[in-house]
Amino acid sequence: EAAVTQSPRNKVTVTGGNVTLSCRQTNSHNYMYWYRQDTGHGLRLIHYSYGAGNLQIGDVPDGYKATRTTQEDFFLLLELASPSQTSLYFCASSENRNTEVFFGKGTRLTVV
Amino acid sequence: GNSVTQMQGQVTLSEEEFLFINCTYSTTGYPTLFWYVQYPGEGPQLLLKVTTANNKGSSRGFEATYDKGTTSFHLQKASVQESDSAVYYCVLGDRDTGYQNFYFGKGTSLTVIP
Repeated sequence: EAAVTQSPRNKVTVTGGNVTLSCRQTNSHNYMYWYRQDTGHGLRLIHYSYGAGNLQIGDVPDGYKATRTTQEDFFLLLELASPSQTSLYFCASSENRNTEVFFGKGTRLTVV
Repeated sequence: GNSVTQMQGQVTLSEEEFLFINCTYSTTGYPTLFWYVQYPGEGPQLLLKVTTANNKGSSRGFEATYDKGTTSFHLQKASVQESDSAVYYCVLGDRDTGYQNFYFGKGTSLTVIP
């Protein structure tokens, strides 16, 4: 079964702080995604990638950068964190765009 | 544009009752519809998918079909168990755009009382 591992699982930072969320998948999937989950909004796509070095913009990219360094690793960067970015973040991966998406367990980020 | 609407934010049932979750979608393309389930403390996971209108998808006792005429996609289960308590997401994928994005509904939180 596909494994998607996120770290850290919980993070608290201050407004204006610099945060990096990490994600690793161990099934050599081509696609990786970053979502945020908020009450009343469900899951919203921030960025995604279809391979090392590639980055695509999702629906809510403002305030976020992402980088896919290898087939396995996808990072989400918040360079100037704001309280509006307090959320539960999920990383996910899939072999192709029309195949099952496997999610990690999430990272809860709090910006105070 | 593409969108998904789940009107039922929360559903509470007793064990062995019938579950029906309604979802409507909007797309200009040719849809594939998915249901994902999220258990507490976990990420969402695929429950089932339906690629063709009026065909039935099924998994773990859950069934779903989508109706192209009414642009609706329902999830149902004949007899729920306490272990089915979770959040259920209706998800739209558009094959015509090569699944450039998946559109998640806002989710329906199901609580099953033993």
